[in-house]
Amino acid sequence: NAGVTQTPKFRVLKTGQSMTLLCAQDMNHEYMYWYRQDPGMGLRLIHYSVGEGTTAKGEVPDGYNVSRLKKQNFLLGLESAAPSQTSVYFCASRPPAGSYNEQFFGPGTRLTVL
Amino acid sequence: SQQGEEDPQALSIQEGENATMNCSYKTSINNLQWYRQNSGRGLVHLILIRSNEREKHSGRLRVTLDTSKKSSSLLITASRAADTASYFCATGGGAQKLVFGQGTRLTINP
Repeated sequence: NAGVTQTPKFRVLKTGQSMTLLCAQDMNHEYMYWYRQDPGMGLRLIHYSVGEGTTAKGEVPDGYNVSRLKKQNFLLGLESAAPSQTSVYFCASRPPAGSYNEQFFGPGTRLTVL
Repeated sequence: SQQGEEDPQALSIQEGENATMNCSYKTSINNLQWYRQNSGRGLVHLILIRSNEREKHSGRLRVTLDTSKKSSSLLITASRAADTASYFCATGGGAQKLVFGQGTRLTINP
């Protein structure tokens, strides 16, 4: 099993450009999450999904959109990138509630917006 | 806002010594988890303690939870160079979400 994978690993954007980050998991997990991590900070939740076709806002959702068309994939979109969105983005997944609720993390995507 | 506040923000010790990190939180929780993050990598789950547990062990890790004080501690015994990483506490409440602290940067000196 590959676990949680993220594409791309690195990206540089100019202000106003758009892009999509892809997260894929092969563990048949129901729940998926997108976080951002800024220097010296913990993780802040952007959006999450409790199942295919569902999404919900986290702590810092502004400027981001997400989609969960397939259970194994969770996409994070930036429609018009801003320098404030320079960060490292992590995706995570976990089994449904009622089971051991550890989250499994991807390796991260380092995004720089100029 | 972040639920967990970790103390200290940075810790540097000699190999073989014990390392203790503390986490305080604000609201009621179902469980508290500790994660490790090596430089440039994603987070890796270390241990989970439920709100009705007071202490839990896993190898060289010992976690305590005091719900009356809304605090937890992570003890790493007999530290090794490979333990150098950032450690985060995360609290689990409703809606299947975790709220992470700002982390403790641990450096183990040879």
